Amino acid sequence: GQQLNQSPQSMFIQEGEDVSMNCTSSSIFNTWLWYKQEPGEGPVLLIALYKAGELTSNGRLTAQFGITRKDSFLNISASIPSDVGIYFCAGQPLTISNFGNEKLTFGTGTRLTIIP
Amino acid sequence: DGGITQSPKYLFRKEGQNVTLSCEQNLNHDAMYWYRQDPGQGLRLIYYSQIVNDFQKGDIAEGYSVSREKKESFPLTVTSAQKNPTAFYLCASSPRDRELDTIYFGEGSWLTVV
Repeated sequence: GQQLNQSPQSMFIQEGEDVSMNCTSSSIFNTWLWYKQEPGEGPVLLIALYKAGELTSNGRLTAQFGITRKDSFLNISASIPSDVGIYFCAGQPLTISNFGNEKLTFGTGTRLTIIP
Repeated sequence: DGGITQSPKYLFRKEGQNVTLSCEQNLNHDAMYWYRQDPGQGLRLIYYSQIVNDFQKGDIAEGYSVSREKKESFPLTVTSAQKNPTAFYLCASSPRDRELDTIYFGEGSWLTVV
């Protein structure tokens, strides 16, 4: 299976700064998801996107489904210490079946570190 | 509380041994999945099951086996044929007829070969 290109691989920022990360794919995706994973834990869903151009917010987090359907962006505003973790994008290609979670492809993750 | 329970959290395996990771969910989900996570890589699908008594290979099934005898349980066996089993293993589940965003993950199990 393919993997998504996620960047940057890591970020070191100061508390209060804004954060931006993105994922790109060579294939068209039907759905984009953004997860956060803390050390030694399972990923937790942050935002789900279902339509090209869609912009969705969850508190200080905002994600967008790219117009080309081949990319997505996640922004975190005014970062706080609890934002530390690894952020993963995941994409679902278009499928004729209404069940296709097994086709979910994950990015390689962006590790966010906040410098005191 | 409803959720997905993986056990054990940490497991050490000797070369040549088979080990089994447990995954139990009380969310009444039809579908269950096993993923493997290595440093610097995304999650890779090992096996998945859409209904009881049925399961399918994912992208990296070689050296692994599963069973789905009960809706709540989807154990993963890492066999001696798996050449590089040291990794973080994640179990997940989702309702079969719902939208994609309801895929839930367990807390993971660390497997180390010694």
